[in-house]
Amino acid sequence: QLQLQESGPGLVKPSETLSLTCSISGGSISSRSYYWGWIRQPPGKGLEWIGSIYYSGSPYYNPSLKSRVTISVDTSKNQFSLKLSSVTAADTAVYYCASIVVPTAILIDWGQGTLVTVSS
Amino acid sequence: QSVLTQPPSASGTPGQRVTISCSGSSSNIGSNTVNWYQQLPGTAPKLLIYSDNQRPSGVPDRFSGSKSGTSASLAISGLQSEDEADYYCAAWDDSLNGGVFGGGTKLTVL
Repeated sequence: QLQLQESGPGLVKPSETLSLTCSISGGSISSRSYYWGWIRQPPGKGLEWIGSIYYSGSPYYNPSLKSRVTISVDTSKNQFSLKLSSVTAADTAVYYCASIVVPTAILIDWGQGTLVTVSS
Repeated sequence: QSVLTQPPSASGTPGQRVTISCSGSSSNIGSNTVNWYQQLPGTAPKLLIYSDNQRPSGVPDRFSGSKSGTSASLAISGLQSEDEADYYCAAWDDSLNGGVFGGGTKLTVL
């Protein structure tokens, strides 16, 4: 079982870029067994798939967020990252990182989540 | 508006059997397997059922999943108070080329 931990600022100003990192322990980000994904949950609402990436492949993004999202992998640090640009209050949410079993959509291990609030 | 459709709420008394439905389309449930997640209050979601009807190690056999066509269901038998949580279905969507979730069902144990 992998352990994942999100980190990053809890408060971001409108129009700025949200940046989060997910650190992986108990396994390697270069594992051929997993994709790596980001999911978010606005307060009191449901889950939304933001996007996912394989350590050596191109990322997949939710079409509704595609123009603002970048997901990348840093194999030297065993981490992957999320950047979401031009944020608004609608981007306020708990952001989760997760491991995804290849070649499925099974989100098998989750981070504890981090609340990011967009406010001036 | 979620791609997969779930009832917003469900309820039952201890010991009862409850089912939660999840409706999709040919590009998601109709062509890919369904996974279910349980989210207890204030915690991250946890994988409950994968590949339509498989239970991860540690998940009680009171939880079961099924799928037919473009719909799936989660059944919980012998309902217990600790089952009170939000439940989400999810699948890969070939048209969107990404994962999609249902809107979630809040289960109340009366």
